[in-house]
Amino acid sequence: DTAVSQTPKYLVTQMGNDKSIKCEQNLGHDTMYWYKQDSKKFLKIMFSYNNKELIINETVPNRFSPKSPDKAHLNLHINSLELGDSAVYFCASSHGAKAFFGQGTRLTVV
Amino acid sequence: QQPVQSPQAVILREGEDAVINCSSSKALYSVHWYRQKHGEAPVFLMILLKGGEQKGHEKISASFNEKKQQSSLYLTASQLSYSGTYFCGTADNTDKLIFGTGTRLQVFP
Repeated sequence: DTAVSQTPKYLVTQMGNDKSIKCEQNLGHDTMYWYKQDSKKFLKIMFSYNNKELIINETVPNRFSPKSPDKAHLNLHINSLELGDSAVYFCASSHGAKAFFGQGTRLTVV
Repeated sequence: QQPVQSPQAVILREGEDAVINCSSSKALYSVHWYRQKHGEAPVFLMILLKGGEQKGHEKISASFNEKKQQSSLYLTASQLSYSGTYFCGTADNTDKLIFGTGTRLQVFP
């Protein structure tokens, strides 16, 4: 039974399109995150939610909008996709400070 | 600000030892270590909560010097399965988990 699951695993889309990535955790954690991992493998925090409330919003373009319908779900919607958005996006949840990651979504913008 | 790890990359033969360092410019409440194998998600290894604390996981151990805002990961008698990218993660008092720059470790037979 997967603890943190993301869908889709792969996403190939054209510039200008809008896409969403879904994330669900069944660990009962209050805190969820979105991270972006670029080609250099840097893991950069984008957003953090605690019990459905946004608590961290790093310097991320407005085209990225997280949505948390309940504390088990944190989805990421991206508008007007650009080439530079190509990366692997990881969802994670944490209890205290131990994080569990989803499998990642490899987004390729062409 | 992202913690800085050194070295950026390490190449080892099986059985050799390595040390990976993590340094932060901010005060730390905890340090975490994760390993990410190629094409997979990062996996939690251990967390250190107190200054001077040391912990171990298999033949991998770590120390945390709160005053120096540094942590080190020690890999002894490395195995092929240790290959991957290691990240330190640091948390401030808001539990904001920031990851270091990463250290790529390759172990060869």
